Amino acid sequence: QKEVEQNSGPLSVPEGAIASLNCTYSDRVSQSFFWYRQYSGKSPELIMSIYSNGDKEDGRFTAQLNKASQYVSLLIRDSQPSDSATYLCAVDSSYKLIFGSGTRLLVRP
Amino acid sequence: EADIYQTPRYLVIGTGKKITLECSQTMGHDKMYWYQQDPGMELHLIHYSYGVNSTEKGDLSSESTVSRIRTEHFPLTLESARPSHTSQYLCASSGLTPGDSSYNEQFFGPGTRLTVL
Repeated sequence: QKEVEQNSGPLSVPEGAIASLNCTYSDRVSQSFFWYRQYSGKSPELIMSIYSNGDKEDGRFTAQLNKASQYVSLLIRDSQPSDSATYLCAVDSSYKLIFGSGTRLLVRP
Repeated sequence: EADIYQTPRYLVIGTGKKITLECSQTMGHDKMYWYQQDPGMELHLIHYSYGVNSTEKGDLSSESTVSRIRTEHFPLTLESARPSHTSQYLCASSGLTPGDSSYNEQFFGPGTRLTVL
């Protein structure tokens, strides 16, 4: 079992819809959780950090954390074609980050 | 401006050559990392450093070596490049304020795309 699991996708949603991306992790002592966006051929860009249970909103992005279920999610509201990218979930482990393999999101115009 | 820099951005080189990929950051971060990523594939941690004179091997075995003589500089060296080293190399840094919840937020440089012929 991988330490950080994501569905590879692609997840295809129409423009304007809500995209829901999910991630599970295995290390119960992890305290920091991150979502990165990576466009093809580019480096990952940090878009959300979350450290406590519940929801954290930033513009069109909402990160959700449930430590009891070891589950992190990212919601993208009003999805735009420019949101089409691979989204990486990352979890801290001894001052390193363990990255999932990413979910590819396609937003159809 | 606080940022993380990588040079060169693209490198095409012949088999057997020695190469050094440069990474510098002006973020004031303690920790630095090197990742390897093939197109459409996962990120693999190959080296990391918690501070000056600290270097550790990552999860993916690599023939490269690193050094950390200055806080802001973390170069990666391949003594003898081979076609199997062809990949994208990404440098990242984190750790501005120990104990702060954002201490593990990693920021990535633009990457070096290496092609070994």
